[in-house]
Amino acid sequence: KAGVTQTPRYLIKTRGQQVTLSCSPISGHRSVSWYQQTPGQGLQFLFEYFSETQRNKGNFPGRFSGRQFSNSRSEMNVSTLELGDSALYLCASSLNGPEQYFGPGTRLTVT
Amino acid sequence: GENVEQHPSTLSVQEGDSAVIKCTYSDSASNYFPWYKQELGKRPQLIIDIRSNVGEKKDQRIAVTLNKTAKHFSLHITETQPEDSAVYFCAAPFTYSSASKIIFGSGTRLSIRP
Repeated sequence: KAGVTQTPRYLIKTRGQQVTLSCSPISGHRSVSWYQQTPGQGLQFLFEYFSETQRNKGNFPGRFSGRQFSNSRSEMNVSTLELGDSALYLCASSLNGPEQYFGPGTRLTVT
Repeated sequence: GENVEQHPSTLSVQEGDSAVIKCTYSDSASNYFPWYKQELGKRPQLIIDIRSNVGEKKDQRIAVTLNKTAKHFSLHITETQPEDSAVYFCAAPFTYSSASKIIFGSGTRLSIRP
């Protein structure tokens, strides 16, 4: 099976803009979780989607949102970008259990 | 609260020696404990996991031990090799047996000295 894929892999945006990142899970996996990885804060949980419903959410401001489509692909959106949003954004998919498999990530740089 | 503490933050060992990384968690209902390895510029990879119904699990040179009473679990790597150099993350879930909210430790940067 193909692994988790994420697009784009790299992105440069300016403050105030918005961005949409995409994640395609492993075929058959219905759960997609999103994480923000920064050198100082490690891996921080953003949210998790299962069957198009957000099941859980981390402690991030409302500027961070997401959604999941009927084919289990997921997108996350960050509006009004800030410099501190520069990070590696990782998604992970699972069948419906705790074993997660990560995508390669999207490196977002905000200038 | 939801917390997973990981120690040490950096670890340097001589090639061939053993490395041990420890994590503690706060939710007594957590029942699944994975370890991920992240090499430079790559995605985190699940290398071993343990469920709360066992105390130890081994896979070749790596093993994980779990002490549910004390709420801590450890990763043991024996006969370390250069390719073991990476950042290792422990994690624990904060909802029962689902991927809803996996909280990660802060990571341990392991360096293997030749």
